[in-house]
Amino acid sequence: QSALTQPASVSGSPGQSITISCTGTSSDVGGYNYVSWYQQHPGKVPKLLIYDVSNRPSGVSNRFSGSKSVNTASLTISGLQVEDEADYYCSSFTSNTIPVFGGGTKLTVL
Amino acid sequence: QVTLRESGPALVKPTQTLTLTCTFSGFSLSTSGMCVSWIRQAPGKALEWLAVIDWDDDKYYTPSLKTRLTISKDTSKNQVVFIMTKMDPVDTATYYCARGGYTAEFDYWGQGILVTVSS
Repeated sequence: QSALTQPASVSGSPGQSITISCTGTSSDVGGYNYVSWYQQHPGKVPKLLIYDVSNRPSGVSNRFSGSKSVNTASLTISGLQVEDEADYYCSSFTSNTIPVFGGGTKLTVL
Repeated sequence: QVTLRESGPALVKPTQTLTLTCTFSGFSLSTSGMCVSWIRQAPGKALEWLAVIDWDDDKYYTPSLKTRLTISKDTSKNQVVFIMTKMDPVDTATYYCARGGYTAEFDYWGQGILVTVSS
C-alpha cells in the first residue's frame, strides 16, 4: 500500500491561510469519504484535527477545515498562529480495508 | 475518559521478537464498531499504520509486514497485544496504540513507546 503524497513543507505568516494537500488514488482518497488529518508537535503524540474529510472533533479550532476533490484531500488552516507550527499528516481508508498515512508536511510559521 | 498506554521493552536485539501491550480504559473492545490499531514512527519519519483488531476479532495488517505481525486482544483485561518477529534495526521507532482503524480516524492515542533495535 503506497503512502499518500503530501508536500514536504509549507510555510506562512501569522494571520495568513495555508493549505496542505494529500494526494492519493481512486482506491483510497478518491474512493471513500474517510480522510483524516493529524497535527503533531515535536516530541508529542499526534492529535486528530479532521475526520471523514471535513468534520472536526469537539475542541478543535474552527480555523482548521478539510475538503476533498477527486483524489486529493486538503487541510486549510486560516488565521495562522505561531502554535500551528507542527507536522501534519493525512490518512485515508483504502480498498484493502486498511488505512494509510501520508508522508507528512512540516508547517513553518514565519 | 478514554486512555491508552503502551508497555513493553525499550530495547530488543536483532532477530528477536517484540511484544507490546496496549492497556486501555474508557471504552470496550466488545462494543460494536470499536477497534484498536498499532502505528509506528521511526525517528524523523512519517507515521506508518501497522495493524488493527476490532470488536469482532477481525484483524488486518499492513501488507509489507504481514508475515511478521500478530495482533490479539483480551477483552476482559482491556488489552491489545502486538507481536512483531525478526526485529531489525530499521524497526527502531516509537510504537503507538490508538483507538480506531477502519475509517482512518484515530481519535485517542497512547503516549507511545520508543523501541530501539540494537545488539
